[in-house]
Amino acid sequence: AQKITQTQPGMFVQEKEAVTLDCTYDTSDPSYGLFWYKQPSSGEMIFLIYQGSYDQQNATEGRYSLNFQKARKSANLVISASQLGDSAMYFCAMRHKNKLVFGAGTILRVKS
Amino acid sequence: DTGVSQDPRHKITKRGQNVTFRCDPISEHNRLYWYRQTLGQGPEFLTYFQNEAQLEKSRLLSDRFSAERPKGSFSTLEIQRTEQGDSAMYLCASSLGGGTGFYYEQYFGPGTRLTVT
Repeated sequence: AQKITQTQPGMFVQEKEAVTLDCTYDTSDPSYGLFWYKQPSSGEMIFLIYQGSYDQQNATEGRYSLNFQKARKSANLVISASQLGDSAMYFCAMRHKNKLVFGAGTILRVKS
Repeated sequence: DTGVSQDPRHKITKRGQNVTFRCDPISEHNRLYWYRQTLGQGPEFLTYFQNEAQLEKSRLLSDRFSAERPKGSFSTLEIQRTEQGDSAMYLCASSLGGGTGFYYEQYFGPGTRLTVT
């Protein structure tokens, strides 16, 4: 069965510093995709970054990068130069057939 | 605004009442998904449509839940005889789709927060 594990319930980071949010996954499918979403207090899920299982390079989108270690089954999100607006809930998710399987999330608080 | 919209944003109902939520997807998207998110958890898949066909339903979708997508445009999710355990955020998402072996990104709406008293 597909499973996503996010072991950090909450994280703090100082403004302008980098932070890593952990995600490990479990699947027997050779082809899969990994996603990170941001959910601010308003509730909307905002897509951040995607990594395919066959992608050779780690995905990057602006200040977001995905540290993909296939052998370890990990897909950590790195946010560089944190901003106050980054304070939110962050979810790691995996594509399974036609749906997304989400982890429990990590709440990130950026301190000024 | 051309994103996914949901209505209402908040709903408070008494136990035993029926409620219906609406989702309007991005216009060119042929796939529509419903997820449920309880407090402190990630979203859980409920069901999805390709055009007007409901192609998959989760075991979470009990007999009290029914979803429709007439004409392959907007979708409704109805919960009959609501229970306190139904209190959650109901999220709708849409995407392109249809080809085998290819996945399109899901775009989420703002959600409908249901409180059953």
